[in-house]
Amino acid sequence: DGGITQSPKYLFRKEGQNVTLSCEQNLNHDAMYWYRQDPGQGLRLIYYSQIVNDFQKGDIAEGYSVSREKKESFPLTVTSAQKNPTAFYLCASSIRSGGENTGELFFGEGSRLTVL
Amino acid sequence: RKEVEQDPGPFNVPEGATVAFNCTYSNSASQSFFWYRQDCRKEPKLLMSVYSSGNEDGRFTAQLNRASQYISLLIRDSKLSDSATYLCVVNVDLGSWGKLQFGAGTQVVVTP
Repeated sequence: DGGITQSPKYLFRKEGQNVTLSCEQNLNHDAMYWYRQDPGQGLRLIYYSQIVNDFQKGDIAEGYSVSREKKESFPLTVTSAQKNPTAFYLCASSIRSGGENTGELFFGEGSRLTVL
Repeated sequence: RKEVEQDPGPFNVPEGATVAFNCTYSNSASQSFFWYRQDCRKEPKLLMSVYSSGNEDGRFTAQLNRASQYISLLIRDSKLSDSATYLCVVNVDLGSWGKLQFGAGTQVVVTP
């Protein structure tokens, strides 16, 4: 079955450490996204990529980095520069970005990061 | 002011009843609109798109009011399985889905 796989589901990190969250999709989607969800707030876009080897900052990119070396993979690194990294991180993909599109984002199951 | 605002609820609904709630958006240039459903501690999933003429999918009806800048979702004959948080999503720029704006969600609790 096609879908998006995020790992790990739960992660604990000490302050000052970088951590990388994995996101892999086998839907053959061009566009991929990283969102952050905090209690009482809507999803906020961290980074998105419309095509391999290209990505753009979202609304809250500071303290994060991404790469898109393969169509299937879009890992997110939470660096020590991110002030409040404890959150639920969601990776998503869509058939393509913009244009004729159903507007459907397919989400992974999420990764819960807790900084101790 | 948030770009997309929703009443957080919870809306406590007896099984079999009807519940409706709105979502307001601030950008009049918004192009397309969606409702997503998110179960507790799970990922969001698309429930339905919202078209200008309004649309229905089974027990769910979505409507768009461009003049007043809000969309609505109505759930008829509520089931226990409808308990979830409903996210309003607005796209400002059709050229890029990176411009999607998510509301914080409206929680619906259907009780026996």
